[in-house]
Amino acid sequence: DAGVIQSPRHEVTEMGQEVTLRCKPISGHDYLFWYRQTMMRGLELLIYFNNNVPIDDSGMPEDRFSAKMPNASFSTLKIQPSEPRDSAVYFCASNFLGIGRESTDTQYFGPGTRLTVL
Amino acid sequence: DAKTTQPTSMDCAEGRAANLPCNHSTISGNEYVYWYRQIHSQGPQYIIHGLKNNETNEMASLIITEDRKSSTLILPHATLRDTAVYYCIPGNQLIWGAGTKLIIKP
Repeated sequence: DAGVIQSPRHEVTEMGQEVTLRCKPISGHDYLFWYRQTMMRGLELLIYFNNNVPIDDSGMPEDRFSAKMPNASFSTLKIQPSEPRDSAVYFCASNFLGIGRESTDTQYFGPGTRLTVL
Repeated sequence: DAKTTQPTSMDCAEGRAANLPCNHSTISGNEYVYWYRQIHSQGPQYIIHGLKNNETNEMASLIITEDRKSSTLILPHATLRDTAVYYCIPGNQLIWGAGTKLIIKP
């Protein structure tokens, strides 16, 4: 398997523009996670899906952020309109058994998308 | 979820064992401890996890204290490629701290 695939790897845009980040999870994995990483705040969970259904989106910063998973092999994270403070590296991860106190399945991360909003 | 305390940074000489401590004194009885690492500009990578017993795999060893309030990740023969940020995460793996920046020196 090619692992978790994210595109684009780098995105530079201007404030106010719409940004769409894409993720293809590992085949057979039914949990998908979106994270954001900045120097100030570290790695933060934004939202995660199980079987294409959003389970917890409490980490989504505000209404400008939205995420969808139309099928088991594709997810998007959209920012509209984008702001300079959204500049970060966005990671997608997937796994099979999800999370939980007794889960032993680990997360497989993609290479990330480095977003710069000017 | 349990909170963790890790050193901000550590150095280790190449070829020596790197021992990375983690304090997770509020961990619940059925929560696993996971270790990941993140090499610069890459996504985090799983290393090892454990519940009560010590664990070993091809990457590292994990020593968990009997009271489960702390653990130590051991890289037996550190190489320059082990330079990374190492994260200790108890519980559901959704809350990540700042980790320990490990620098392996030649």
